[in-house]
Amino acid sequence: QKEVEQDPGPLSVPEGAIVSLNCTYSNSAFQYFMWYRQYSRKGPELLMYTYSSGNKEDGRFTAQVDKSSKYISLFIRDSQPSDSATYLCPEGYSGAGSYQLTFGKGTKLSVIP
Amino acid sequence: DTEVTQTPKHLVMGMTNKKSLKCEQHMGHRAMYWYKQKAKKPPELMFVYSYEKLSINESVPSRFSPECPNSSLLNLHLHALQPEDSALYLCASSQTGQGNNEQFFGPGTRLTVL
Repeated sequence: QKEVEQDPGPLSVPEGAIVSLNCTYSNSAFQYFMWYRQYSRKGPELLMYTYSSGNKEDGRFTAQVDKSSKYISLFIRDSQPSDSATYLCPEGYSGAGSYQLTFGKGTKLSVIP
Repeated sequence: DTEVTQTPKHLVMGMTNKKSLKCEQHMGHRAMYWYKQKAKKPPELMFVYSYEKLSINESVPSRFSPECPNSSLLNLHLHALQPEDSALYLCASSQTGQGNNEQFFGPGTRLTVL
């Protein structure tokens, strides 16, 4: 399985900016798309989850999926210093009664007050 | 309750020690996972348990020994570790079956091997 490709970062933006984070995945059968946020020295936190193409919005966060181009994006509106974290978009593989996640290197975001 | 708990938070051990990491969830999830995360790297899958049975071992050295005593608990037994095994060890859980793929992670155990 190939590694998920993410924008390498790090990304530094001023508070209030719109942030765009992007991933390209390789598995055509991939159906479930997730974004995790990981603060320094903490476990990853599930931020967004969707299983279809199009947009899913949750507060200031919008996940966008384009299955035809195998491209997923996360948009953060009105970014806050508390959004400073590493963002991960794993690729998933079903099998053996579980769902294995393969993570890319992640994109580290810093929101400057 | 969408919480996965891990103990201890921090662990320092020598290369001859034996220690165990513990993970617990009460979400009724029947798949549980161990990941290893080195500094500035993404999490890497180590083991997968499905219905309390080991289903995936990603070629992990035998000095790491997982155990799933029941559907809520997952242990990782450590013996004769090397300094390069120092990392954040993450536990996660998920439902099984089609469509139930959200994995919930614990806060991790930060392990230092001297």
